[in-house]
Amino acid sequence: EPEVTQTPSHQVTQMGQEVILRCVPISNHLYFYWYRQILGQKVEFLVSFYNNEISEKSEIFDDQFSVERPDGSNFTLKIRSTKLEDSAMYFCASTGRMDSPLHFGNGTRLTVT
Amino acid sequence: AQSVTQPDIHITVSEGASLELRCNYSYGATPYLFWYVQSPGQGLQLLLKYFSGDTLVQGIKGFEAEFKRSQSSFNLRKPSVHWSDAAEYFCAVVGSGNTGKLIFGQGTTLQVKP
Repeated sequence: EPEVTQTPSHQVTQMGQEVILRCVPISNHLYFYWYRQILGQKVEFLVSFYNNEISEKSEIFDDQFSVERPDGSNFTLKIRSTKLEDSAMYFCASTGRMDSPLHFGNGTRLTVT
Repeated sequence: AQSVTQPDIHITVSEGASLELRCNYSYGATPYLFWYVQSPGQGLQLLLKYFSGDTLVQGIKGFEAEFKRSQSSFNLRKPSVHWSDAAEYFCAVVGSGNTGKLIFGQGTTLQVKP
């Protein structure tokens, strides 16, 4: 069964550095999402992406965050200048239709020191 | 605004016992509801979904859930829990805004005693 793939599985970075989290959604999917889960907390919506543009973003998704689908297969989340509070598990998800369940990747654990 | 509440943060059951995980949602229209499971270090795996129709839905791994509109609930059940069911369980609802985003509850951690 096709899977959503995320790399790396764990990323350690210093405060103020830029990070790019990578995702390969399922190939025929059209809707893409990023979520994050701070340790011990709920899974929070960050952003949705459709037709090469952001369709919705949460208040968490400020100017430090950006998303891109650079080549038709990858879907990336960039954090421009990381803060300690960005430490979390970041999940990518995709779906072929809005009324179908989301398929999640295994996540990237980001640790900001 | 839509919201999902899972009243139980942590539940412990004995292996072989029955299980019910509670989920309450707040949503104006007919909700699309989901249960996901997250094993340690893993992503979120879909257990089951409710879109419409029969209010009792069957999922994978022997789980089922019942949608009760009058109670705004979508509780997850399993008649006999296995040690491998120990994980974190998330209830979710599709939010408004026509983007398909999910709004998650805070999760329930299930511990299974031998």
